[in-house]
Amino acid sequence: AQSVTQLGSHVSVSEGALVLLRCNYSSSVPPYLFWYVQYPNQGLQLLLKYTSAATLVKGINGFEAEFKKSETSFHLTKPSAHMSDAAEYFCAVSEATGANNLFFGTGTRLTVIP
Amino acid sequence: EPEVTQTPSHQVTQMGQEVILRCVPISNHLYFYWYRQILGQKVEFLVSFYNNEISEKSEIFDDQFSVERPDGSNFTLKIRSTKLEDSAMYFCASSQLRYEQFFGPGTRLTVL
Repeated sequence: AQSVTQLGSHVSVSEGALVLLRCNYSSSVPPYLFWYVQYPNQGLQLLLKYTSAATLVKGINGFEAEFKKSETSFHLTKPSAHMSDAAEYFCAVSEATGANNLFFGTGTRLTVIP
Repeated sequence: EPEVTQTPSHQVTQMGQEVILRCVPISNHLYFYWYRQILGQKVEFLVSFYNNEISEKSEIFDDQFSVERPDGSNFTLKIRSTKLEDSAMYFCASSQLRYEQFFGPGTRLTVL
């Protein structure tokens, strides 16, 4: 079974500061891992994905994430926060084989302080 | 850029009534999904659909729920007899590749 834990339901950073959103996963089979962003009153937009290629994955809007199997982690980072990054971020996992429905974490709300 | 669309954006219904939520997936996609997000909670998988049949469903997806792809473009979720606890945001998603799902903007269902 797959599951995701996101540490910190709320994260606040100053504009220009490093963004770090944490995600740990549990999976009995090789996982695919994803980060989605949800802006207010909108759907989920894919930021980036890990599908067993390079462990450092670059996504849209300057975000990247590193798959660390030994730590079962897939933390999301951005070197310099922008006001437009304020949103809800969801980490998700699916199986690399078989069914590929997504299991989501509880989300982290990112606030960017001017 | 192609996108998944959902209608209506907001549906209000009385408990016990049937509702149909509609989705138009991206045209060349083969895999279709419904998820829901109860206010303040995580996004939860309901059902996946491929080759005109359900490929997987969660425990949430009981006999009150059904899905259909009636005309090759629409993908619908029907709830036969709504309950208060069905109030949630319902997201449709589609994918061409099995591991990259594109989500619609959601339908907010309010059951009174």
